[in-house]
Amino acid sequence: KAGVTQTPRYLIKTRGQQVTLSCSPISGHRSVSWYQQTPGQGLQFLFEYFSETQRNKGNFPGRFSGRQFSNSRSEMNVSTLELGDSALYLCASSLGHNTDTQYFGPGTRLTVL
Amino acid sequence: GENVEQHPSTLSVQEGDSAVIKCTYSDSASNYFPWYKQELGKGPQLIIDIRSNVGEKKDQRIAVTLNKTAKHFSLHITETQPEDSAVYFCAASKNSGYSTLTFGKGTMLLVSP
Repeated sequence: KAGVTQTPRYLIKTRGQQVTLSCSPISGHRSVSWYQQTPGQGLQFLFEYFSETQRNKGNFPGRFSGRQFSNSRSEMNVSTLELGDSALYLCASSLGHNTDTQYFGPGTRLTVL
Repeated sequence: GENVEQHPSTLSVQEGDSAVIKCTYSDSASNYFPWYKQELGKGPQLIIDIRSNVGEKKDQRIAVTLNKTAKHFSLHITETQPEDSAVYFCAASKNSGYSTLTFGKGTMLLVSP
């Protein structure tokens, strides 16, 4: 079974631009969660989608948004990029029932200049 | 919300030694505790997990123990090998209707030959 895939793997943007990241979950998984990883803050939860609905949201500004499609693929969008948005963005998929195991993709490395 | 503390932040051992990483959590409702290993340039990979109805779980050289009364859990790696060198993260989750992991800050394990 194929693992979680994320595209693109690397991205360079400038301040003020917007960016869209994509995540394809493991086949059969209906939940996709997004995390931001930085050296200073570690792994922080952004939001979780299940069956095209956002079920939970972390403590991030409204510039961070996401969506999930009927095939469970998910995208996250960051508008008006700031230097502090530079990070590794990870998505994880699971079956979606409470404490099911989450499997992570390789991440998208975003650099904001 | 949940808070997970992880110690130590770095750990250096000689090949063949044992390594222990400890985590404490704050939310007594948490009942699922996974451990992830992250190698450079890759996403976190699940190595072992434990649920609150179990006190200890072992998988070859890796074991995890859980003390619900004290709200702490530990990862034990025996007979360490250079390929065990990586960053290890503990996390906690609970039955809340959605899938959200709260992570510790990570431990960089260095195994010297």
